[in-house]
Amino acid sequence: QVLLVQSGTEVKKPGASVKVSCKASGYTFSNYDISWVRQAPGQGLEWIGCISPYNGYRIYAQRVQGRVTLTTDTSTTTGYMELRSLNSDDAAVYYCARGDPGSSSFDYWGQGTLVTVSS
Amino acid sequence: QSALTQPPSASGSPGQSVTISCTGTSSDVGGYNYVSWYQQHPGKAPKLMIYEVNKRPSGVPDRFSGSKSGNTASLTVSGLQTEDEADYYCSSYTGSSNIFGTGTKVTV
Repeated sequence: QVLLVQSGTEVKKPGASVKVSCKASGYTFSNYDISWVRQAPGQGLEWIGCISPYNGYRIYAQRVQGRVTLTTDTSTTTGYMELRSLNSDDAAVYYCARGDPGSSSFDYWGQGTLVTVSS
Repeated sequence: QSALTQPPSASGSPGQSVTISCTGTSSDVGGYNYVSWYQQHPGKAPKLMIYEVNKRPSGVPDRFSGSKSGNTASLTVSGLQTEDEADYYCSSYTGSSNIFGTGTKVTV
């Protein structure tokens, strides 16, 4: 079965960077995008960006453009999201999701990674 | 546009129907048939319920249906059950990215 397993909780200071991983299994990794979505406490979902493991093409939301980098490692079928220059607005649960390029929907999700930003 | 517009809340009794709207623009909802809907229970990851406006993934009950008219998409849940109580989010392709709705809390 399709599974996306994310790395654990992170606690970071303002100005630091965080890198979250997303290990995929149960499907052909290169056939689907990996998207990242975050949810601040008590708030809605916010799309951050997505990457194609097939050709490396990536696109980012304007709000985090310049601070975020998405990568994939096809040898380990793992996606990564790195966010730099963290501030309090970045505190959220970060989800990875499998993206179907044909329908622009997210059909399988990771369990979420809590990122806390605190001095 | 920062988010698609959804009503904050909706409610219905068991067995009734509830419809949630999702309003965007011609650059997102109105421009593409790539609207999807997600159900999220507290503390859980979202779950895909509808994709491409009105298609259901395998395993999603046919009580859930989607539609679109112009710049507004809708999700209808018929025959409400207690387990349908959750937050629901719409999402749309924008031509270069994706955008989510503000979310609707459904109370049964």
